[in-house]
Amino acid sequence: QVQLVQSGAEVKKPGTSVKVSCKASGYTLTFHYIHWVRQAPGQGLEWMGIINPSSGSTNYAQTLQGRLTMTRDTSTSTVYMELSSLRSEDMAVYYCARGRGRDGYNYFDYWGQGTLLTVSS
Amino acid sequence: QSALTQPASVSGSPGQSITISCSGTSSDIGGYNYVSWYQQHPGKAPKLMIYEVSNRPSGISNRFSGSKSGNTASLTISGLQAEDEADYYCSSYTGSSTLDVVFGGGTKLTVL
Repeated sequence: QVQLVQSGAEVKKPGTSVKVSCKASGYTLTFHYIHWVRQAPGQGLEWMGIINPSSGSTNYAQTLQGRLTMTRDTSTSTVYMELSSLRSEDMAVYYCARGRGRDGYNYFDYWGQGTLLTVSS
Repeated sequence: QSALTQPASVSGSPGQSITISCSGTSSDIGGYNYVSWYQQHPGKAPKLMIYEVSNRPSGISNRFSGSKSGNTASLTISGLQAEDEADYYCSSYTGSSTLDVVFGGGTKLTVL
């Protein structure tokens, strides 16, 4: 069965970076796009960006451009999300999700379990 | 690009039907049939309930249905059950160069 398994919770200081992994199983990673979505405490969902695991091409929300990097390792079926220059507003649960449909944008059919990022000095 | 607009909360009694609206613009909901709905229980990841406006994934009850008219999409849940109590989010593709996908602010469904 399809699964997206994310790395564990992180605690980071302001100004540092975090790298979260998302390991896919039950399907071929390169066949479907992967998105990252975050959710601040008590808030709604926020789309962050998308990666094509086959080509490595990415597209990021403009608000995160310059701080966000998505990469993939096809040999381990893993996608990574790195966010730099962390600030308190980045404190959230981060989800990876598999994208379906035209260019992977139509909907998200499977989600990772989420990774809690705490940003605190 | 602003978030889609959803009511903050809706409620209904077991067995009743409720509808959650999701209002956008011609650049998102009105421009594409790529509206999806997600259910999220506390502390859990979102779960796909409706995709491409009105399609149900395998395993999702036919009590859940979706529709769209102009720039507004709707999720209807009929025969409310206690386990339907959760947060619900709508989402749409935007085609924007600055924000490809937009979510609604979420609606808390309470089953009385």
